[in-house]
Amino acid sequence: DVKVTQSSRYLVKRTGEKVFLECVQDMDHENMFWYRQDPGLGLRLIYFSYDVKMKEKGDIPEGYSVSREKKERFSLILESASTNQTSMYLCASSRTGAGAYEQYFGPGTRLTVT
Amino acid sequence: LAKTTQPISMDSYEGQEVNITCSHNNIATNDYITWYQQFPSQGPRFIIQGYKTKVTNEVASLFIPADRKSSTLSLPRVSLSDTAVYYCLVGEVRTGRRALTFGSGTRLQVQP
Repeated sequence: DVKVTQSSRYLVKRTGEKVFLECVQDMDHENMFWYRQDPGLGLRLIYFSYDVKMKEKGDIPEGYSVSREKKERFSLILESASTNQTSMYLCASSRTGAGAYEQYFGPGTRLTVT
Repeated sequence: LAKTTQPISMDSYEGQEVNITCSHNNIATNDYITWYQQFPSQGPRFIIQGYKTKVTNEVASLFIPADRKSSTLSLPRVSLSDTAVYYCLVGEVRTGRRALTFGSGTRLQVQP
């Protein structure tokens, strides 16, 4: 079974703090993704990575950065958290090729910035 | 990537067949159509994927007409546990340097 784990289910941070969200997958997938989900807006792609040290901006990269030093781990970084970054953050992974259409999601991290 | 349009919400009753249609008028030749399901407090889960005609698996069927400008996800005999949000995604991502776009999805409510 593919497993995607995220470091925290719930996180509360203060405005201006640097926040790290960690995601680990155990199926040797090449692709990894970070989304945020807000009521009425569906899932929006922040960044994705198709290989170690490679990244691509998604639809809403502003205010975020990512790091992929190892194939199994993809980190989302909020350099200076703001209240408008309060959201549910979801990580996903997938293979390349025909398997790229099937993403496996983690349980999500609900981040609250106060 | 092709823009998709699907109903915001749908209601059904247990035991009925539910069809959710997605419009994607500017689908490209190499694009595939993929559907995901999301339960509350969980990440989305892949349901089915297709390119043309009909695809069926143990969960659902996907009908794609010849012009591929729309697709219909069919859920046979729904139960209360099928209450979820369903997303239609269209794109070509086999190279690994592209990503699919999730819209707002269709919220399906199944009543007893």
